[in-house]
Amino acid sequence: DAKTTQPTSMDCAEGRAANLPCNHSTISGNEYVYWYRQIHSQGPQYIIHGLKNNETNEMASLIITEDRKSSTLILPHATLRDTAVYYCIVRVAGVRRSSNTGKLIFGQGTTLQVKP
Amino acid sequence: DVKVTQSSRYLVKRTGEKVFLECVQDMDHENMFWYRQDPGLGLRLIYFSYDVKMKEKGDIPEGYSVSREKKERFSLILESASTNQTSMYLCASSLGRTGELFFGEGSRLTVL
Repeated sequence: DAKTTQPTSMDCAEGRAANLPCNHSTISGNEYVYWYRQIHSQGPQYIIHGLKNNETNEMASLIITEDRKSSTLILPHATLRDTAVYYCIVRVAGVRRSSNTGKLIFGQGTTLQVKP
Repeated sequence: DVKVTQSSRYLVKRTGEKVFLECVQDMDHENMFWYRQDPGLGLRLIYFSYDVKMKEKGDIPEGYSVSREKKERFSLILESASTNQTSMYLCASSLGRTGELFFGEGSRLTVL
């Protein structure tokens, strides 16, 4: 799976958009970009994923550059409850009935601090 | 919403005790996983199950076993707990192959 690079930490004002970047310059054509977050002392939470098109759901938007070498997770109106460690993960879609569907390599992630 | 429920948030056990960690999911997911999370080591896969009574070893299965008698329930068993098994244990489930995993809140185990 391709390696990702994220800033160690970021701050964001409450109510403003939080833009979290991720570099994945060695991504291959069949690898997806996934975002998870982990609030302190809780299990990771799936946010969004995409292959090459931009994606949006009720939690966030994912913008993937045309060359797919980087992406940005956007939380449109950050709240204090969005304070967490955000992980960008790049991997192929799993093979059914194979353990590689669960092999997520979580790097250090970005600690997002939303401030009042 | 998918709900993955782990039986205990915090446990304290003694060396040599048998430990059961239970996990239940309510969305009919075929895949279930057990991980442990340790500072600086990230998330490591212990065991995986893709169907009832089916299991596969993950990256660190030594000292652990699992049981999946029903589709919704996946149990992690420490036959004889040791201090190096002190960790946060996370259960997850997923449907199919697209990779979005849904995690429980975690069980923090301390072995004295």
